[in-house]
Amino acid sequence: QKEVEQNSGPLSVPEGAIASLNCTYSDRGSQSFFWYRQYSGKSPELIMFIYSNGDKEDGRFTAQLNKASQYVSLLIRDSQPSDSATYLCAVNMRNAGNMLTFGGGTRLMVKP
Amino acid sequence: KAGVTQTPRYLIKTRGQQVTLSCSPISGHRSVSWYQQTPGQGLQFLFEYFSETQRNKGNFPGRFSGRQFSNSRSEMNVSTLELGDSALYLCASSVGTANYEQYFGPGTRLTVT
Repeated sequence: QKEVEQNSGPLSVPEGAIASLNCTYSDRGSQSFFWYRQYSGKSPELIMFIYSNGDKEDGRFTAQLNKASQYVSLLIRDSQPSDSATYLCAVNMRNAGNMLTFGGGTRLMVKP
Repeated sequence: KAGVTQTPRYLIKTRGQQVTLSCSPISGHRSVSWYQQTPGQGLQFLFEYFSETQRNKGNFPGRFSGRQFSNSRSEMNVSTLELGDSALYLCASSVGTANYEQYFGPGTRLTVT
């Protein structure tokens, strides 16, 4: 079992729809969770981070964390073609300093 | 504020050579982490430096090493290059160590022939 798992996709949604990206992790002691967006040929860009159970909203993005289920998700409302990218879930596990463990990423395609 | 900068952006090296990559973090950030990204293995942690000390190390051979200077700039070195070292090398900076947001630089694309 991988430490951080994501569906590789591609996840295809129509423009204006809600895109839902999911991530599960294995270390129950993990403390912080990050979502990065990576366009082809570019470096990852931090878009959301969450530390506590529940929802955190920032513009069109909502991160959801459920530590009991070891599950973190990212919702993108009103999806735009410019949101088409690979979304990487990263987990900072306990006693790991700043070491992030990444999932393999989910490729999102938003169709006009 | 300027972002994370990495030099050089592209490198082509021959098997057996060594290479040094440089990273300048965001001003005020004291932690620099290095990652390797390949199509097969994804993003993997190499090591983290904070206040000139290595704090964590990933599961990479000793050919991969790094250091951090008093101004928080960091370098990583790969000796005796192998074909499998071809990858995008990314550095990420953050204010502190453990549970802080990390911001990535543009990366150095290393090709080993």
